[in-house]
Amino acid sequence: NAGVTQTPKFRVLKTGQSMTLLCAQDMNHEYMYWYRQDPGMGLRLIHYSVGEGTTAKGEVPDGYNVSRLKKQNFLLGLESAAPSQTSVYFCASSPQGAVDEQFFGPGTRLTVL
Amino acid sequence: AQSVTQLDSHVSVSEGTPVLLRCNYSSSYSPSLFWYVQHPNKGLQLLLKYTSAATLVKGINGFEAEFKKSETSFHLTKPSAHMSDAAEYFCVVSGLSSSNTGKLIFGQGTTLQVKP
Repeated sequence: NAGVTQTPKFRVLKTGQSMTLLCAQDMNHEYMYWYRQDPGMGLRLIHYSVGEGTTAKGEVPDGYNVSRLKKQNFLLGLESAAPSQTSVYFCASSPQGAVDEQFFGPGTRLTVL
Repeated sequence: AQSVTQLDSHVSVSEGTPVLLRCNYSSSYSPSLFWYVQHPNKGLQLLLKYTSAATLVKGINGFEAEFKKSETSFHLTKPSAHMSDAAEYFCVVSGLSSSNTGKLIFGQGTTLQVKP
Protein backbone atom coordinates (compact mmCIF):
# COMPACT_ATOMS: atom_id res chain seq x y z
CA ASN A 1 0.00 0.00 0.00
CA ALA A 2 1.21 3.48 -0.84
CA GLY A 3 -0.72 4.99 2.10
CA VAL A 4 -1.35 8.70 1.62
CA THR A 5 0.25 10.40 -1.36
CA GLN A 6 0.32 14.07 -2.29
CA THR A 7 0.90 15.75 -5.64
CA PRO A 8 2.93 17.86 -6.27
CA LYS A 9 5.76 17.86 -3.72
CA PHE A 10 6.84 21.43 -4.48
CA ARG A 11 5.25 24.36 -6.26
CA VAL A 12 5.99 28.03 -6.77
CA LEU A 13 3.10 30.34 -7.72
CA LYS A 14 2.76 34.01 -8.45
CA THR A 15 0.18 36.04 -6.58
CA GLY A 16 -3.23 35.58 -8.16
CA GLN A 17 -2.52 32.24 -9.80
CA SER A 18 -4.60 29.19 -9.05
CA MET A 19 -3.68 25.59 -8.40
CA THR A 20 -5.00 22.30 -7.07
CA LEU A 21 -3.27 19.98 -4.65
CA LEU A 22 -4.19 16.32 -4.93
CA CYS A 23 -4.33 13.89 -2.04
CA ALA A 24 -4.92 10.19 -2.58
CA GLN A 25 -5.25 7.34 -0.07
CA ASP A 26 -5.51 3.63 -0.73
CA MET A 27 -6.63 2.54 2.75
CA ASN A 28 -10.38 2.94 2.18
CA HIS A 29 -10.56 5.57 4.91
CA GLU A 30 -13.73 7.58 5.38
CA TYR A 31 -12.18 10.71 6.87
CA MET A 32 -9.73 12.99 5.08
CA TYR A 33 -8.15 16.27 6.14
CA TRP A 34 -6.08 19.14 4.80
CA TYR A 35 -3.69 20.98 7.13
CA ARG A 36 -1.19 23.74 6.74
CA GLN A 37 2.01 23.91 8.77
CA ASP A 38 3.68 27.20 9.55
CA PRO A 39 6.71 27.74 11.79
CA GLY A 40 5.84 27.81 15.49
CA MET A 41 2.14 27.16 14.89
CA GLY A 42 1.84 23.41 14.65
CA LEU A 43 -0.65 22.15 12.09
CA ARG A 44 -3.91 23.95 11.47
CA LEU A 45 -6.92 22.33 9.87
CA ILE A 46 -8.10 23.92 6.63
CA HIS A 47 -10.94 21.65 5.52
CA TYR A 48 -11.98 18.10 6.15
CA SER A 49 -14.33 15.43 4.84
CA VAL A 50 -16.20 12.72 6.72
CA GLY A 51 -17.06 10.78 3.58
CA GLU A 52 -17.36 10.82 -0.17
CA GLY A 53 -19.28 13.86 -1.37
CA THR A 54 -19.00 15.74 1.94
CA THR A 55 -16.73 18.59 2.99
CA ALA A 56 -16.59 20.95 5.94
CA LYS A 57 -14.59 23.95 7.09
CA GLY A 58 -11.79 23.68 9.58
CA GLU A 59 -9.92 26.30 11.52
CA VAL A 60 -8.46 28.32 8.62
CA PRO A 61 -10.64 27.78 5.51
CA ASP A 62 -10.50 31.23 3.92
CA GLY A 63 -8.95 31.29 0.45
CA TYR A 64 -9.26 27.53 -0.04
CA ASN A 65 -11.83 25.19 -1.50
CA VAL A 66 -12.01 21.41 -1.45
CA SER A 67 -13.79 18.56 -3.16
CA ARG A 68 -14.23 14.86 -2.38
CA LEU A 69 -15.83 13.39 -5.47
CA LYS A 70 -14.23 9.99 -4.92
CA LYS A 71 -13.63 8.35 -1.57
CA GLN A 72 -9.91 7.94 -2.18
CA ASN A 73 -9.21 11.51 -3.33
CA PHE A 74 -9.38 14.86 -1.57
CA LEU A 75 -8.51 17.96 -3.58
CA LEU A 76 -7.46 21.32 -2.17
CA GLY A 77 -7.82 24.34 -4.42
CA LEU A 78 -6.41 27.83 -4.25
CA GLU A 79 -8.39 30.09 -6.60
CA SER A 80 -6.23 33.20 -6.26
CA ALA A 81 -3.01 32.53 -4.40
CA ALA A 82 -1.66 35.05 -1.90
CA PRO A 83 1.77 35.24 -0.22
CA SER A 84 0.06 34.42 3.10
CA GLN A 85 -0.66 30.97 1.68
CA THR A 86 3.03 30.15 1.49
CA SER A 87 3.21 27.08 3.69
CA VAL A 88 3.66 23.33 3.83
CA TYR A 89 0.41 21.50 3.21
CA PHE A 90 -0.32 18.08 4.64
CA CYS A 91 -3.12 15.73 3.80
CA ALA A 92 -4.23 13.04 6.24
CA SER A 93 -6.80 10.27 6.42
CA SER A 94 -8.32 8.15 9.17
CA PRO A 95 -10.77 5.27 9.35
CA GLN A 96 -13.35 6.65 11.74
CA GLY A 97 -12.45 10.03 13.15
CA ALA A 98 -11.57 11.35 16.57
CA VAL A 99 -10.17 8.30 18.34
CA ASP A 100 -8.31 6.97 15.34
CA GLU A 101 -4.80 7.61 14.22
CA GLN A 102 -4.50 9.95 11.27
CA PHE A 103 -2.14 8.88 8.51
CA PHE A 104 -0.24 11.74 6.92
CA GLY A 105 1.11 12.30 3.47
CA PRO A 106 4.66 13.60 2.86
CA GLY A 107 3.55 17.20 2.35
CA THR A 108 3.55 19.82 -0.40
CA ARG A 109 5.76 22.86 -0.04
CA LEU A 110 4.06 25.85 -1.66
CA THR A 111 5.64 29.24 -2.17
CA VAL A 112 3.58 32.19 -3.38
CA LEU A 113 5.61 35.11 -4.67
CA ALA B 1 -13.31 23.82 23.73
CA GLN B 2 -10.16 21.78 23.38
CA SER B 3 -6.64 23.13 23.46
CA VAL B 4 -3.13 21.83 23.94
CA THR B 5 0.05 23.53 25.16
CA GLN B 6 3.54 22.20 24.73
CA LEU B 7 5.55 23.78 27.47
CA ASP B 8 8.93 23.78 25.71
CA SER B 9 9.57 24.88 22.15
CA HIS B 10 13.07 23.40 22.19
CA VAL B 11 14.63 20.62 24.27
CA SER B 12 18.27 19.60 24.08
CA VAL B 13 19.63 16.37 25.59
CA SER B 14 22.77 14.31 25.30
CA GLU B 15 22.65 10.90 23.68
CA GLY B 16 21.89 8.23 26.26
CA THR B 17 20.14 10.59 28.70
CA PRO B 18 16.40 10.69 29.43
CA VAL B 19 13.95 12.67 27.36
CA LEU B 20 10.97 14.58 28.76
CA LEU B 21 8.65 16.55 26.47
CA ARG B 22 5.85 18.26 28.35
CA CYS B 23 2.25 18.69 27.23
CA ASN B 24 -0.83 20.06 28.97
CA TYR B 25 -4.30 19.88 27.51
CA SER B 26 -7.74 21.30 28.02
CA SER B 27 -10.84 19.41 27.02
CA SER B 28 -14.51 19.52 27.85
CA TYR B 29 -14.81 15.82 27.11
CA SER B 30 -12.79 12.73 27.87
CA PRO B 31 -10.08 13.35 25.34
CA SER B 32 -8.12 11.21 22.98
CA LEU B 33 -4.50 12.28 23.08
CA PHE B 34 -1.69 11.60 20.66
CA TRP B 35 1.98 12.24 20.20
CA TYR B 36 3.25 12.56 16.64
CA VAL B 37 6.84 12.87 15.45
CA GLN B 38 8.03 14.72 12.37
CA HIS B 39 11.52 14.18 11.06
CA PRO B 40 12.99 16.90 8.82
CA ASN B 41 11.17 17.29 5.52
CA LYS B 42 8.89 14.35 6.31
CA GLY B 43 5.25 13.84 7.13
CA LEU B 44 3.98 13.10 10.63
CA GLN B 45 4.14 9.65 12.19
CA LEU B 46 2.14 8.48 15.19
CA LEU B 47 4.26 7.68 18.25
CA LEU B 48 1.46 6.71 20.61
CA LYS B 49 -2.13 7.43 21.55
CA TYR B 50 -4.32 7.46 24.65
CA THR B 51 -8.00 6.64 24.27
CA SER B 52 -9.25 6.10 27.87
CA ALA B 53 -7.69 2.70 28.42
CA ALA B 54 -4.45 2.35 30.43
CA THR B 55 -3.08 5.68 31.62
CA LEU B 56 0.50 4.68 30.80
CA VAL B 57 0.80 4.34 27.07
CA LYS B 58 3.72 2.72 25.32
CA GLY B 59 4.62 3.73 21.81
CA ILE B 60 7.17 3.05 19.16
CA ASN B 61 10.93 3.49 19.50
CA GLY B 62 10.87 3.22 23.30
CA PHE B 63 8.67 6.26 23.93
CA GLU B 64 5.88 6.30 26.46
CA ALA B 65 3.46 8.83 27.88
CA GLU B 66 1.34 9.01 31.00
CA PHE B 67 -2.14 10.46 31.05
CA LYS B 68 -2.71 12.38 34.31
CA LYS B 69 -6.24 13.69 34.48
CA SER B 70 -5.70 15.58 37.75
CA GLU B 71 -2.83 17.52 36.18
CA THR B 72 -4.34 17.62 32.66
CA SER B 73 -0.97 16.46 31.37
CA PHE B 74 0.28 13.96 28.82
CA HIS B 75 4.07 14.17 28.98
CA LEU B 76 6.23 12.13 26.61
CA THR B 77 9.28 10.32 27.97
CA LYS B 78 12.06 8.03 26.84
CA PRO B 79 14.71 6.57 29.18
CA SER B 80 17.64 6.97 26.81
CA ALA B 81 17.84 9.31 23.83
CA HIS B 82 19.25 8.20 20.52
CA MET B 83 20.59 10.44 17.78
CA SER B 84 17.77 9.31 15.51
CA ASP B 85 15.24 10.79 17.97
CA ALA B 86 16.16 14.30 16.86
CA ALA B 87 12.93 15.63 15.35
CA GLU B 88 9.90 17.78 16.05
CA TYR B 89 7.25 16.35 18.34
CA PHE B 90 3.61 17.33 18.45
CA CYS B 91 1.15 16.75 21.25
CA VAL B 92 -2.36 16.48 19.85
CA VAL B 93 -5.84 16.34 21.35
CA SER B 94 -8.87 15.18 19.46
CA GLY B 95 -11.55 17.76 18.85
CA LEU B 96 -14.03 15.31 20.23
CA SER B 97 -17.63 16.34 20.05
CA SER B 98 -20.99 14.73 19.49
CA SER B 99 -20.40 14.84 15.75
CA ASN B 100 -17.11 12.91 16.01
CA THR B 101 -15.57 14.76 13.14
CA GLY B 102 -12.09 13.65 14.13
CA LYS B 103 -10.63 17.13 14.17
CA LEU B 104 -7.23 17.19 15.78
CA ILE B 105 -5.85 20.15 17.66
CA PHE B 106 -2.08 20.41 17.53
CA GLY B 107 0.32 21.90 19.98
CA GLN B 108 2.96 24.25 18.65
CA GLY B 109 5.59 21.54 18.60
CA THR B 110 8.79 20.80 20.52
CA THR B 111 12.07 20.47 18.69
CA LEU B 112 14.23 17.77 20.25
CA GLN B 113 17.96 18.13 19.74
CA VAL B 114 20.19 15.18 20.64
CA LYS B 115 23.85 15.93 21.17
CA PRO B 116 26.53 13.26 20.80
